[in-house]
Amino acid sequence: AQRVTQPEKLLSVFKGAPVELKCNYSYSGSPELFWYVQYSRQRLQLLLRHISRESIKGFTADLNKGETSFHLKKPFAQEEDSAMYYCVHRGSRLTFGEGTQLTVNP
Amino acid sequence: DSGVTQTPKHLITATGQRVTLRCSPRSGDLSVYWYQQSLDQGLQFLIQYYNGEERAKGNILERFSAQQFPDLHSELNLSSLELGDSALYFCASSVGAAGNQPQHFGDGTRLSIL
Repeated sequence: AQRVTQPEKLLSVFKGAPVELKCNYSYSGSPELFWYVQYSRQRLQLLLRHISRESIKGFTADLNKGETSFHLKKPFAQEEDSAMYYCVHRGSRLTFGEGTQLTVNP
Repeated sequence: DSGVTQTPKHLITATGQRVTLRCSPRSGDLSVYWYQQSLDQGLQFLIQYYNGEERAKGNILERFSAQQFPDLHSELNLSSLELGDSALYFCASSVGAAGNQPQHFGDGTRLSIL
């Protein structure tokens, strides 16, 4: 089945450490993928989209068709990055991965 | 502020009961989407309405129903509630009918079934 997979439910790092949130997809062709973020007690927000190749809040994500991955990376994590992160595929509708809860410890 | 308003913020009720969750979309948006976020199943798409008509259906139980009114606000009705229905229910809106457009999310309604 076509899907988006986030293999890590929980990820904990120390402040200043690099962080990588993994996302793999099983869609063929050139999928459109996004990362959404949900900070504690707040609404889901679009973080970044692969087609814009942007860096938001220090985060970047590159679409790797060979590995069918769209991992989210940040070289130096901050405490305020602690949140739930969703990898999302844009097909006929948005399909969300299971989410990864990132905790950045002081 | 995304402009999407959901009420109530919290709802506590008992098994077997019926509740209604309300969503007002962002001004100018014609589509409303409902999602269920539970601990064990992540974020699941339930249903989409566009300009008053059902547009797409996801993993929505038969005990659940929704509608979109002429003023474009939407209600999600959950009946014969079970413990497993406890979750955060999000509403999102977008301008057009295509389900892959950028969606703006509300704060969600936290439903707790005792």
